[in-house]
Amino acid sequence: QQQVKQSPQSLIVQKGGISIINCAYENTAFDYFPWYQQFPGKGPALLIAIRPDVSEKKEGRFTISFNKSAKQFSLHIMDSQPGDSATYFCAASNSGGSNYKLTFGKGTLLTVNP
Amino acid sequence: NAGVTQTPKFQVLKTGQSMTLQCAQDMNHNSMYWYRQDPGMGLRLIYYSASEGTTDKGEVPNGYNVSRLNKREFSLRLESAAPSQTSVYFCASSEYSRGNQPQHFGDGTRLSIL
Repeated sequence: QQQVKQSPQSLIVQKGGISIINCAYENTAFDYFPWYQQFPGKGPALLIAIRPDVSEKKEGRFTISFNKSAKQFSLHIMDSQPGDSATYFCAASNSGGSNYKLTFGKGTLLTVNP
Repeated sequence: NAGVTQTPKFQVLKTGQSMTLQCAQDMNHNSMYWYRQDPGMGLRLIYYSASEGTTDKGEVPNGYNVSRLNKREFSLRLESAAPSQTSVYFCASSEYSRGNQPQHFGDGTRLSIL
């Protein structure tokens, strides 16, 4: 059972455009939603994270929007740059558990054309 | 400023051979994790160690064993490698195993089993 569904699988955006990646989750116990960014040949790195007590979190050009009732959250990359080309993973976890597991989506390969 | 170091970076094995993947972190983190990454499958947790002296199964533990050697080191062993274990393996660490802790990843071991 896939607990975090991510779409699209791949995305091509022109420089300066907006990149949008969507995720949906099933487990209502999830209360922490991070996004990881992975460049080719490297491990994933935490990009930005949100908790369900807020509907939006912004860090620079990156924004997470969160809809608790729909059990959905999304990553928006404003003014997308070629350097943003990477694979993006959404994830979810229950931060209240004593031994937690981070459940990842399957990833979105973003290509930003110059 | 090494963070999480994985060795080797690349390895080719024959079916039935055994191998140990090494992971060490220098951030004084308590929790460590092993993931595998396959195309279109995202990151799947193999085993994790919430603290020194403890290990627990993740989503896909079959065919693997782990050892938390000390607080810094967490190894993953394939006793009898199978072609289905061809993958990129990532080690990660976090300060604690609480769900809202960011995970820091190494750059991976690319393993091919013929």
